Amino acid sequence: NAGVTQTPKFQVLKTGQSMTLQCAQDMNHEYMSWYRQDPGMGLRLIHYSVGAGITDQGEVPNGYNVSRSTTEDFPLRLLSAAPSQTSVYFCVSREQGWDTEAFFGQGTRLTVV
Amino acid sequence: QQPVQSPQAVILREGEDAVINCSSSKALYSVHWYRQKHGEAPIFLMILLKGGEQKGHDKISASFNEKKQQSSLYLTASQLSYSGTYFCGTELSGGYNKLIFGAGTRLAVHP
Repeated sequence: NAGVTQTPKFQVLKTGQSMTLQCAQDMNHEYMSWYRQDPGMGLRLIHYSVGAGITDQGEVPNGYNVSRSTTEDFPLRLLSAAPSQTSVYFCVSREQGWDTEAFFGQGTRLTVV
Repeated sequence: QQPVQSPQAVILREGEDAVINCSSSKALYSVHWYRQKHGEAPIFLMILLKGGEQKGHDKISASFNEKKQQSSLYLTASQLSYSGTYFCGTELSGGYNKLIFGAGTRLAVHP
């Protein structure tokens, strides 16, 4: 049981490049989310999904796109990378319900130069 | 909408106690607590629900004041392994399972 798997673990991009951060979970969880973590800012919600085909914006969605075609996968796309998107990105999955714990992927450290 | 955590940082000696607070200006349905070690992903500690239900580790103690929309995490007889950054996450009443985290509290426990 792998849990939540994120790829890649590290990535360096040039300003203006695009890329996709992959996230897959094997726990059949309905809810999946993407967060970014910056020093002093905590974990900020980018986008989230409550099931296949359903996504919504979080606190800091600008510059990012998501889609959820299957229960297992929730990729995060950076359309045109900017230095302000340098951060550590975490994918999170949870079972449906209010009292369910969040399972984090190991994170992707992204640097935009 | 982001919950406010206090203090921002705590330094303890082994065996000392600490309290970390989390407050929101909105009506909450649940409060989550997670701990993150340097370079690692956050891990689950506890969930407190409106109505008094709690789920989590037996050795972790926390409270949720629904009237004040505040939660506190109690770390007693601290151990070196307690060091890390603690995050509270909140879900609003009527929110759609949207978990919003605070900025974190850094805890350092020294021998």
